[in-house]
Order: sequence, then structure tokens, then C-alpha cells
Amino acid sequence: AQTVTQSQPEMSVQEAETVTLSCTYDTSENNYYLFWYKQPPSRQMILVIRQEAYKQQNATENRFSVNFQKAAKSFSLKISDSQLGDTAMYFCAFIPDRGSTLGRLYFGRGTQLTVWP
Amino acid sequence: SQTIHQWPATLVQPVGSPLSLECTVEGTSNPNLYWYRQAAGRGLQLLFYSIGIGQISSEVPQNLSASRPQDRQFILSSKKLLLSDSGFYLCAWRPRGASEKLFFGSGTQLSVL
Repeated sequence: AQTVTQSQPEMSVQEAETVTLSCTYDTSENNYYLFWYKQPPSRQMILVIRQEAYKQQNATENRFSVNFQKAAKSFSLKISDSQLGDTAMYFCAFIPDRGSTLGRLYFGRGTQLTVWP
Repeated sequence: SQTIHQWPATLVQPVGSPLSLECTVEGTSNPNLYWYRQAAGRGLQLLFYSIGIGQISSEVPQNLSASRPQDRQFILSSKKLLLSDSGFYLCAWRPRGASEKLFFGSGTQLSVL
């Protein structure tokens, strides 16, 4: 069975500082994708960053980067230069890569991040 | 471009009343479709998914049902709502064969009173 664990229900950070959100997962799949989604107060799910498991290089998207440790099954999100607009619930998610067959997206329970001015 | 529409945005229903939430996708064909529920303070729970018209799979036994009468239309229903059906419901779609892409609707906040 696939599971995604986010051990930090809440975190806070000062504006302009850096914060890291942790995520671990468990799977027997060899090929898969990992995601971080952001859910602001509007509750719209927004894709922040995506990592392919077969790529060793960590994904980056502007101020967002990940530390992907495949052997440890760890996928943390680092937010640099935090902004007030980063305040949101962040979900870590996993999907097996099964080509054309249906892939279920597994979510962690989320980390509520608050950025303080 | 592809878009996903979900409505209504908010809904307040009495216990025992029926439910119908609708989701449509535009700009694509033969998508995989999903219904998720997010209870307060929790992650997303997959309720139903569909790989084609009339093909529905249920992940969790419950008071809800889903239907896909058209290729790009996905409906979540209930004959009699329970208090425990309250939550935030999200529709999502994924292009066929593209595991890495999942797009979400804007959600429906359902309050059963």
C-alpha cells in the first residue's frame, strides 16, 4: 500500500526567511511522481512543484525547491524568501507511474504554513 | 486550453435531502475523472474515479454515488444526505496516459445541517 506522511501539522515562518516542510512516503513502486500542492484560503489546489522519481536532480521552481531522497523515501519542500502569499495548507502527494492505466494520487494530511510579517 | 468547472461553490442542505454536484471538463477528451473529499483539518480522500463513460470505481463505501453520463461530465450524488457528508468536495481530471498531471476544480463546500 502507498502512504504519504506529513509529520508537521503546522509551521510558521517570518517573511523573507526560509522554511522546510517534510514529507515521507512508502511504496513498492519503482516509477512514480511526487508533488507538492498548495491550498490557500480560497481552497483552490495549486501545483507547486513536481519530481519524477527516476530523476536524481532535485526539482526547483523559482523560490520553491525539493530535497528528494529516494532511498530514504523523503521529499521535503524548501521555500526561500517566504512571502505572505505563501500562507496556505501544503499537501505532499504521490502517484505511481503506470502509463495509460489509472494512477491514484495519494495525499498526506497537509501542513498549515503561516508566514508572519 | 483545458478547463474544469465545478458547481455549486457552496451548498447548505438539510439531513435527508438529496445531493447533486456537477463537474465538467472542457478542451480535452476521454479524461480520467476523480471526486475527492476533504474533511476539516484533513487531507484529501479519494471517493470515486472514472476512466470512461458509465465506468465508475468507488474507493470508500459510503452514502454517496457517482455517475459519468457524458465523456467530460462527472456527477456526485446522494439520495439522503447525512451529517457526516459535510466537507469540501473537489473534482479533478487527468489526461489519459499522463500520470504526472492532475488538475483540480475550485471545489464545493457542503454543509449538511
